[in-house]
Amino acid sequence: QQQVRQSSQSLTVWEGETAILNCSYENSAFDYFPWYQQFPGEGPALLIAIRSVSDKKEDGRFTIFFNKREKNLSLHIKDSQPGDSATYFCAADASSGSWQLIFGSGTQLTVMP
Amino acid sequence: NAGVIQTPRHKVTGKGQEATLWCEPISGHSAVFWYRQTIVQGLEFLTYFRNQAPIDDSGMPKERFSAQMPNQSHSTLKIQSTQPQDSAVYLCASSSGQNYAEQFFGPGTRLTVL
Repeated sequence: QQQVRQSSQSLTVWEGETAILNCSYENSAFDYFPWYQQFPGEGPALLIAIRSVSDKKEDGRFTIFFNKREKNLSLHIKDSQPGDSATYFCAADASSGSWQLIFGSGTQLTVMP
Repeated sequence: NAGVIQTPRHKVTGKGQEATLWCEPISGHSAVFWYRQTIVQGLEFLTYFRNQAPIDDSGMPKERFSAQMPNQSHSTLKIQSTQPQDSAVYLCASSSGQNYAEQFFGPGTRLTVL
């Protein structure tokens, strides 16, 4: 059973559009939700994160919208650029003191010029 | 700040050989995590140290895999008698005591077992 699910394996948008990447989770005890960006041959880079007490977190062109009742969240990338083309992972802190992150399967974003 | 350092970046071993992977966490970070990434399984947690002490190894295969953190500046992941199914990218992450869930990853070591 996938505890963190990213429904889209891939997403293609045009340069300048807003890319929306969706994520859902199973366990209502999850508290912290980071998004990671990964380029080929590199490790995941922490992009932005949100805690379950908030419903929105913004950092430059990146915004997380969080819906605790529906157990889903989305990453919005405003004014997408070709350099944003990468794989994006949604993750959740498993809590219970373990601090391990549970990752979704990733969404490969392609931004067409 | 050099970020998390992992060596080697690539390692090729023959079936049955041993592989040792190294990780240097960000200076001042007290927690080190190991994950494994494959196309099929995605990103999976392996084990975690806090202040050099092993805290959670629930993701580690019970046989052949072991991890240590002999000092605050490095951790090792050892795989004995490597098998083709061990082929993966092994990722190390570190975090500070302010928020252990805020983890910063290294570039990974790509292990290929022939």
